[in-house]
Amino acid sequence: GESVGLHLPTLSVQEGDNSIINCAYSNSASDYFIWYKQESGKGPQFIIDIRSNMDKRQGQRVTVLLNKTVKHLSLQIAATQPGDSAVYFCAENSFGGGGNKLTFGTGTQLKVEL
Amino acid sequence: ETGVTQTPRHLVMGMTNKKSLKCEQHLGHNAMYWYKQSAKKPLELMFVYNFKEQTENNSVPSRFSPECPNSSHLFLHLHTLQPEDSALYLCASRHDSTYEQYFGPGTRLTVT
Repeated sequence: GESVGLHLPTLSVQEGDNSIINCAYSNSASDYFIWYKQESGKGPQFIIDIRSNMDKRQGQRVTVLLNKTVKHLSLQIAATQPGDSAVYFCAENSFGGGGNKLTFGTGTQLKVEL
Repeated sequence: ETGVTQTPRHLVMGMTNKKSLKCEQHLGHNAMYWYKQSAKKPLELMFVYNFKEQTENNSVPSRFSPECPNSSHLFLHLHTLQPEDSALYLCASRHDSTYEQYFGPGTRLTVT
């Protein structure tokens, strides 16, 4: 079946550096993608989204890039801060019998070193 | 705060117990979801409700029984669970004009 996966389970970066978290997806029919952040003891929190008709979207310190040719999604965090330490999930939206459904990747643990 | 609350936050239950998880959203959304999150695994979708009607049951064992009395409340009734059911159970909601789901903080369930 279709799946969403992440290349690296753990990413360590120095405070102030930029972080890049990658995600591969396999459903070419997916029309929408989301990045979520999950801190310890909390539920996933929306960071940024992108529709399949776009290849880049920017938010505050975050940028999502979508490469439909190779089915690749990335999240870039500028000037990474200790508060960015969390697990980051990508999710793709597809439409099935039950309506719209998000399929999530395993997640990447981002660790920010001081 | 996302506007989605879950109670209890932590629950320990024996395999013969019956308990319920509660989710409430204050966002005016019309779709609600239950997910199971186990260590090192992707979020697993369990159930979906749209306008109080169940639209998806992702092959979930019958020892998990959802209930959606209205668009703001969602319950997950638990009975005769197994130790492998120990996980974080997340509730989410969505308005049908968007794809984004808003998550609650989850209930950490331990089955002994």
